[in-house]
Amino acid sequence: GQSLEQPSEVTAVEGAIVQINCTYQTSGFYGLSWYQQHDGGAPTFLSYNALDGLEETGRFSSFLSRSDSYGYLLLQELQMKDSASYFCAVRTMDSSYKLIFGSGTRLLVRP
Amino acid sequence: EAQVTQNPRYLITVTGKKLTVTCSQNMNHEYMSWYRQDPGLGLRQIYYSMNVEVTDKGDVPEGYKVSRKEKRNFPLILESPSPNQTSLYFCASSSGQAPNSPLHFGNGTRLTVT
Repeated sequence: GQSLEQPSEVTAVEGAIVQINCTYQTSGFYGLSWYQQHDGGAPTFLSYNALDGLEETGRFSSFLSRSDSYGYLLLQELQMKDSASYFCAVRTMDSSYKLIFGSGTRLLVRP
Repeated sequence: EAQVTQNPRYLITVTGKKLTVTCSQNMNHEYMSWYRQDPGLGLRQIYYSMNVEVTDKGDVPEGYKVSRKEKRNFPLILESPSPNQTSLYFCASSSGQAPNSPLHFGNGTRLTVT
């Protein structure tokens, strides 16, 4: 089977740095994506890692290590508006073109 | 504005009463999909469609039907809803089959079946 595991909740202080981890068990996938979802809202795409290493987009960075079956999302200079749920996801290599999501990490940013 | 539009946003119904949740995208995307979101379970795929008249089951298709008669529309049909289908539903689309094609989600439909 294929599964992605994330911590259920993370709390951090405004202005700090937080890392949200994602470990996965999957036989093969194209890349690791991250989505953000605010309460009551739709998931929105944040980043995609096709290859091992770090991808940076402004305050957000995402990392992938296929050898360790591990990835993370790094959020810097946290702002209150970053309080949301964050999902990692992988796209399977079979014909379904399916995106499998982790159960999500709820980030609470405190003043 | 490029978007995925779902209707209705909220729906309360009774067991067994057929319902349809509509989904439309204006981005000419080939790929469309339905997900349900339940606490602690993340987003699980119900059905997906690679193009017009091409649909297939996702991970949790039982109790649902879909159709793709036009490229822009991908309705989700519950022929006989049951309380275990109470959930938050999202329609999503993407431009193609490239692995890095992001999914664009609609605003969701919160369904309650009593």
